[in-house]
Amino acid sequence: DIQMTQSPSSLSASVGDRVTITCQASQDVSKYLNWYQQKPGKAPKLLIYDASNLETGVPSRFSGSGSGTDFTFTISSLQPEDIATYYCQQYDDVPFTFGPGTTVDIK
Amino acid sequence: EVQLAESGGGLVKPGGSLRLSCAVSGFTFSNAWMSWVRQAPGKGLEWVGRIKSKSEGGTIDYGAPVKGRFTISRDDSKNTVYLQMNSLKTEDTAVYYCTTDFWNYGDHVDYWGQGTLVAVSS
Repeated sequence: DIQMTQSPSSLSASVGDRVTITCQASQDVSKYLNWYQQKPGKAPKLLIYDASNLETGVPSRFSGSGSGTDFTFTISSLQPEDIATYYCQQYDDVPFTFGPGTTVDIK
Repeated sequence: EVQLAESGGGLVKPGGSLRLSCAVSGFTFSNAWMSWVRQAPGKGLEWVGRIKSKSEGGTIDYGAPVKGRFTISRDDSKNTVYLQMNSLKTEDTAVYYCTTDFWNYGDHVDYWGQGTLVAVSS
């Protein structure tokens, strides 16, 4: 199975800050990577698919980049409503494994 | 409007069985690949498995922790996907979500149900 790691596991930032999360796959997953946002008590919401494509309706302050084994997720200007846990997920090969998550809160 | 509604969760003893259902509406279910994802209390997301559409072979894949114990199936006439869970363990305690994604007139869309809680405890 492909193992996914994320860093950091948590972070605190101020409103307006640029926030970056990294995700690493244990083997090449090409561009087949999702980024999800999950708020407490809610189902996850897909923000980015194919590593860098913004899901319909998602604000443009969210972006993703990378390919192969190394990926980056960025919030260009953190907003209070972005407080959540963010997960990467590879879907290059089954099982479609998730990273452990990164919790983002406001400083 | 697209809706996915899970049902069938509850409290079950270790070694027991439970069948979850996910009824969908608002899109052509027979063309959809359906997945189950779970989340143990206070933990991260875990992919349980996926069933492809019958037109694309109906292939079913599972994550290692559930392979041999869980079975995913679908009834296209009822727009429903199922998760049969046997030989349940305490570590199967989680909220179980059904989910799907597809292309809708050039837009990629991703949908999740609200989740149903399965608690395995003696």
